[in-house]
Amino acid sequence: RKEVEQDPGPFNVPEGATVAFNCTYSNSASQSFFWYRQDCRKEPKLLMSVYSSGNEDGRFTAQLNRASQYISLLIRDSKLSDSATYLCVVPRGGSQGNLIFGKGTKLSVKP
Amino acid sequence: NAGVTQTPKFQVLKTGQSMTLQCAQDMNHNSMYWYRQDPGMGLRLIYYSASEGTTDKGEVPNGYNVSRLNKREFSLRLESAAPSQTSVYFCASRGGPGNIQYFGAGTRLSVL
Repeated sequence: RKEVEQDPGPFNVPEGATVAFNCTYSNSASQSFFWYRQDCRKEPKLLMSVYSSGNEDGRFTAQLNRASQYISLLIRDSKLSDSATYLCVVPRGGSQGNLIFGKGTKLSVKP
Repeated sequence: NAGVTQTPKFQVLKTGQSMTLQCAQDMNHNSMYWYRQDPGMGLRLIYYSASEGTTDKGEVPNGYNVSRLNKREFSLRLESAAPSQTSVYFCASRGGPGNIQYFGAGTRLSVL
């Protein structure tokens, strides 16, 4: 299994749709996870942290399944402004605590 | 709140030229990072600095050097630029509640 693996997409959905992205990881010792959002030609920005089984922030829900080693991101009622690439981020492990960034899943929300 | 500031935003170099990318953060974070991002490759760690006075290699350090000048500043140097170093470079710092990583706006570098 790769360190972090995401479906690259693109996911093309209409406004108002619900869309889910999955991310698998290989380091079973990882404790904290993140979803970042990256707009075209911009820097990645934190969307959500995922520390336990999951958490919710408005239209966004992140879930963690430690047994199967995957993280999911659910976006409800998609907006045009949600169009971006979503990066799954997992700790590399080791004492330095560096992060591994997935290659990202591209979402395009259409009118 | 400036966060992480990178300069320059754009740069074009000829093969063999050298340059230094500057990065500064005002969040009092201990850890700082340099990544490159290429199409289809995602973000790859070049070098990092876990604290002032220390630096370590990441996944793709060849052709680069770094300096952690003080707690705020972490620079990346290309001694002899090559076309393979054409990329978007991001600096980041990490710390604070939740130990979140914050990125600068990036430097778009082209090596001809």
